Amino acid sequence: GNSVTQMEGPVTLSEEAFLTINCTYTATGYPSLFWYVQYPGEGLQLLLKATKADDKGSNKGFEATYRKETTSFHLEKGSVQVSDSAVYFCALNGNQGGKLIFGQGTELSVKP
Amino acid sequence: DAEITQSPRHKITETGRQVTLACHQTWNHNNMFWYRQDLGHGLRLIHYSYGVHDTNKGEVSDGYSVSRSNTEDLPLTLESAASSQTSVYFCASSDIGRVEAFFGQGTRLTVV
Repeated sequence: GNSVTQMEGPVTLSEEAFLTINCTYTATGYPSLFWYVQYPGEGLQLLLKATKADDKGSNKGFEATYRKETTSFHLEKGSVQVSDSAVYFCALNGNQGGKLIFGQGTELSVKP
Repeated sequence: DAEITQSPRHKITETGRQVTLACHQTWNHNNMFWYRQDLGHGLRLIHYSYGVHDTNKGEVSDGYSVSRSNTEDLPLTLESAASSQTSVYFCASSDIGRVEAFFGQGTRLTVV
């Protein structure tokens, strides 16, 4: 079945450091891929998405490219801020009526 | 603004009691979902609905039920609460033909 694996956290970075959070997936067909972010005490917010191979999703300085050849959707940001501290979830939609399959989440902590 | 709201935000209940968590969305989305979030597991799908009077079991449906009597609401019922159901519960909705889902703020349930 479909599944998502993302790098384990927590990840601790200094402000202005480069961020990569790895995400790989297993799916049949051509799923859509997402990154959701959960700030402390809040619900999940859609950060970015990509719906087909080679698409790049971007938002708030974050980027991720849909790589079908490596079944990956790694999240990157060139310079993180303290306000980026949150839990990040990689997810896929196997085009089965909107059901999402999530990775286990990666906690990011950015220190000033 | 259209939104999705969950209530209560926090609840403590005793083992064996019946508990109902509410989810209400004003987007007029056909698809609604309930997930639970546990450390190390990400979010896992409990139940979902593709429209009024439609309900389906997800990955972790044992001990839970839902009903869909209108488009806006999908209440989640724990028939006889167990300590293993202590978790954070998220409701989500998505529109037909759209791949992304939108989440509520979550309900933190503690079963003692």
